[in-house]
Amino acid sequence: KNEVEQSPQNLTAQEGEFITINCSYSVGISALHWLQQHPGGGIVSLFMLSSGKKKHGRLIATINIQEKHSSLHITASHPRDSAVYICAVPSTGNQFYFGTGTSLTVIP
Amino acid sequence: EPEVTQTPSHQVTQMGQEVILRCVPISNHLYFYWYRQILGQKVEFLVSFYNNEISEKSEIFDDQFSVERPDGSNFTLKIRSTKLEDSAMYFCASRDRFGNSPLHFGNGTRLTVT
Repeated sequence: KNEVEQSPQNLTAQEGEFITINCSYSVGISALHWLQQHPGGGIVSLFMLSSGKKKHGRLIATINIQEKHSSLHITASHPRDSAVYICAVPSTGNQFYFGTGTSLTVIP
Repeated sequence: EPEVTQTPSHQVTQMGQEVILRCVPISNHLYFYWYRQILGQKVEFLVSFYNNEISEKSEIFDDQFSVERPDGSNFTLKIRSTKLEDSAMYFCASRDRFGNSPLHFGNGTRLTVT
């Protein structure tokens, strides 16, 4: 059983396209995290959100707590956005459940 | 901006050897974590640590694993007798408080067991 499901698993886009990555979760949460894993392996926290919408540059994250669903959008995608995007939710204890990640490739 | 640092970036060891992976969390953070990611698979939780003790651990974190915070700044993961299947990327993470606070990750240590 996966507490966190992401779709799609793989995504290829042309530079400039609008991209959407989806995350559904089954546990009750206080906040959801979107992470970016670079091709070299390092992980960076992009967003932490508990309601509504957050924007950072060309990245927008939304969450619907009632539907247990979050989306990460990238506007005007660029090859440097190529990475794995991971959704993570905290457990009731002190750990996190991670999605399997969405591997994004943006082609020039 | 403060960051979590991990050393070494890559460790190669022979099966059966002990390895120690080191992490320096952000200085005012209180909650510390180790995760691992086997190549091509998702990130998996190993252990969380708070107030100088383990607060949660996964099924993966068996008796061959241990964690320590020996000197108030370093946070280490020891694997006592490495197996081939321990080959993975190991990430340390920290955050400043429980609840809604972001996780800060180190760049990881790639462990290769031969």
